[in-house]
Amino acid sequence: NAGVTQTPKFRVLKTGQSMTLLCAQDMNHEYMYWYRQDPGMGLRLIHYSVGEGTTAKGEVPDGYNVSRLKKQNFLLGLESAAPSQTSVYFCASSSRRGANVLTFGAGSRLTVL
Amino acid sequence: KQEVTQIPAALSVPEGENLVLNCSFTDSAIYNLQWFRQDPGKGLTSLLLIQSSQREQTSGRLNASLDKSSGRSTLYIAASQPGDSATYLCAVNTGFQKLVFGTGTRLLVSP
Repeated sequence: NAGVTQTPKFRVLKTGQSMTLLCAQDMNHEYMYWYRQDPGMGLRLIHYSVGEGTTAKGEVPDGYNVSRLKKQNFLLGLESAAPSQTSVYFCASSSRRGANVLTFGAGSRLTVL
Repeated sequence: KQEVTQIPAALSVPEGENLVLNCSFTDSAIYNLQWFRQDPGKGLTSLLLIQSSQREQTSGRLNASLDKSSGRSTLYIAASQPGDSATYLCAVNTGFQKLVFGTGTRLLVSP
């Protein structure tokens, strides 16, 4: 009964370094999302995917890339990290059918020095 | 651009009180509205989802209402308990379950 799993949970990067956050869901959901949460700003959508092999930009996509090669995985990449990308990142997934309730992961805290 | 506002930003009440959290949004073209709970350092847990055609949803001590025409939703918590202490977030679905979130109300229920 894992739901949505994010790895890693914590990471510290230096400016200019690259990294990938992994999101995995075991609920056979079609839709997956990456949000970032910053103090006083609420959660903002970075990128999302409505199915395997598809991705689309959200509200704040600059500086990030994503891939959805498998239905259960959604990867968020930072090619050249900047201090402005210090944040808590949340992955979520949702079924295309039914009540469309989003299930969130526990979050990944990223610090860029 | 859709904007979601939550008032108050923080609320402190004694145990047993009934309370209301407010959420307003600027564009009434929404598919649904969700209320979430977030505990410190944790992810979000969905509490209630109201479809755009519905007026309210209830789950236990929680009741959420939606007035789409006026761009408002309320979350009513009856007989509050210390375990209800958390941040409550509302979010509107703008399509494909893409959510626009408010900044949340931090609730503290004292014993």
